[in-house]
Amino acid sequence: AQTVTQSQPEMSVQEAETVTLSCTYDTSESDYYLFWYKQPPSRQMILVIRQEAYKQQNATENRFSVNFQKAAKSFSLKISDSQLGDAAMYFCAYRSARWGDSNYQLIWGAGTKLIIKP
Amino acid sequence: KAGVTQTPRYLIKTRGQQVTLSCSPISGHRSVSWYQQTPGQGLQFLFEYFSETQRNKGNFPGRFSGRQFSNSRSEMNVSTLELGDSALYLCASSRRLAGGGETQYFGPGTRLLVL
Repeated sequence: AQTVTQSQPEMSVQEAETVTLSCTYDTSESDYYLFWYKQPPSRQMILVIRQEAYKQQNATENRFSVNFQKAAKSFSLKISDSQLGDAAMYFCAYRSARWGDSNYQLIWGAGTKLIIKP
Repeated sequence: KAGVTQTPRYLIKTRGQQVTLSCSPISGHRSVSWYQQTPGQGLQFLFEYFSETQRNKGNFPGRFSGRQFSNSRSEMNVSTLELGDSALYLCASSRRLAGGGETQYFGPGTRLLVL
């Protein structure tokens, strides 16, 4: 079974600086998708970025980028120029790309609470 | 385009009662998934519905059930509520492409408190 591990329960960063959140996963599959979701105090789960395992190029979305290391099964999120609005819980999630109903679910990490210091 | 909506947003029930939560997906999305979020267990998959059929179910007791209507709206029901059912229940919708490549979009959640 696949598992997702986020080893940092909490991280803090000074506003305007850069922070990296860690995520590792365990799978025997070669094709899958990885996601970072953000959950602010409103509890709304918001997609930050996604990565296809078959793509070697790291995904980027404005100030957010990932470092995807497939062999190491690592998927870290880098937030540049941190802003107060980035304060939230960040969840790493995995989904198999193997077509089949039993695989169509997100498997979640425990989350990392990101604190932005003004 | 309107996002995923969930009703009600907050709910207080007592042990033994039952509850029904509703989710309206993004227009054009035919897949609806439900997740339970608690401080102790984190995010856990409940079930997924696609074209009015349950396609996958997580490891939850039979007290948790759901259904999907022809307009893709979904409901989940929890019978004989227990204190441990207190949680945030999140609904997510997607188009459900072959290969699982599409993104799930989440609603704001329903916060259930069982007393």
